[in-house]
Amino acid sequence: DAKTTQPPSMDCAEGRAANLPCNHSTISGNEYVYWYRQIHSQGPQYIIHGLKNNETNEMASLIITEDRKSSTLILPHATLRDTAVYYCIALSGYSTLTFGKGTMLLVSP
Amino acid sequence: ETGVTQTPRHLVMGMTNKKSLKCEQHLGHNAMYWYKQSAKKPLELMFVYNFKEQTENNSVPSRFSPECPNSSHLFLHLHTLQPEDSALYLCASSQEDRDAYEQYFGPGTRLTVT
Repeated sequence: DAKTTQPPSMDCAEGRAANLPCNHSTISGNEYVYWYRQIHSQGPQYIIHGLKNNETNEMASLIITEDRKSSTLILPHATLRDTAVYYCIALSGYSTLTFGKGTMLLVSP
Repeated sequence: ETGVTQTPRHLVMGMTNKKSLKCEQHLGHNAMYWYKQSAKKPLELMFVYNFKEQTENNSVPSRFSPECPNSSHLFLHLHTLQPEDSALYLCASSQEDRDAYEQYFGPGTRLTVT
C-alpha cells in the first residue's frame, strides 16, 4: 500500500472550512484513498473514500488531484465535535486497513 | 439497537484472571475485526474473521484467544495478561474483509491489567 503523509496537527476556527491535506505520491492505479477520524477515547469513524473523482457525502468532501498524488478532505463548516485525529489511508483490494499517525485537528470557538 | 456494541466498556483485571470481551454488530456484516490501541501508538490489527472463519492473525500472543460463533458476535478471551496489554480494544465490522474498508467500529473496551 502507498505510504501517506499528513501534517501532525492543524487548527480551525468553528464554522470555518477545515481542509486536511494528504500526500500519497506513490499511490498505484488501483488504490483508493480512505479517510477515517477518531474522536478521543472512541473508535475510528469512516468518513469518505474515493479513487480519482471528487466525492461528497453528508460528512465531508474529498478532492483528489488529477495525478492522484495528493488529496484534501474538506469539512465545510467545522464544529467543536469535529475535533479528532484524521487518518488518510491508501488501500487496494488485497490489503488491510492500517492507521498511521494522522492529523490532529483542533476546532476552536 | 444499531451499529457495533462492545461490553464491557471498562475492565480492570489481574494478571492471573481470565476475562472475555464481547462485540456484537447489528449491521448485517460478514467480517469482524479486533484491534488494539495502546497509548500514543497507532491502531494495531489483531484478528480478522470473515463468515466466521479466521482469515488473519497478526502474530498475536496466545494469551489472546478470539472466538466468532456467528457473523454477528465476536469475543476476545483473555488469560494471564501482562501490564503492557493494557490498552483500548476495538471491535469493527464490514461487509467483507476484502474490498470493503468501510469498517464500523465499536466504542471499545478500556482494559487495565494490574
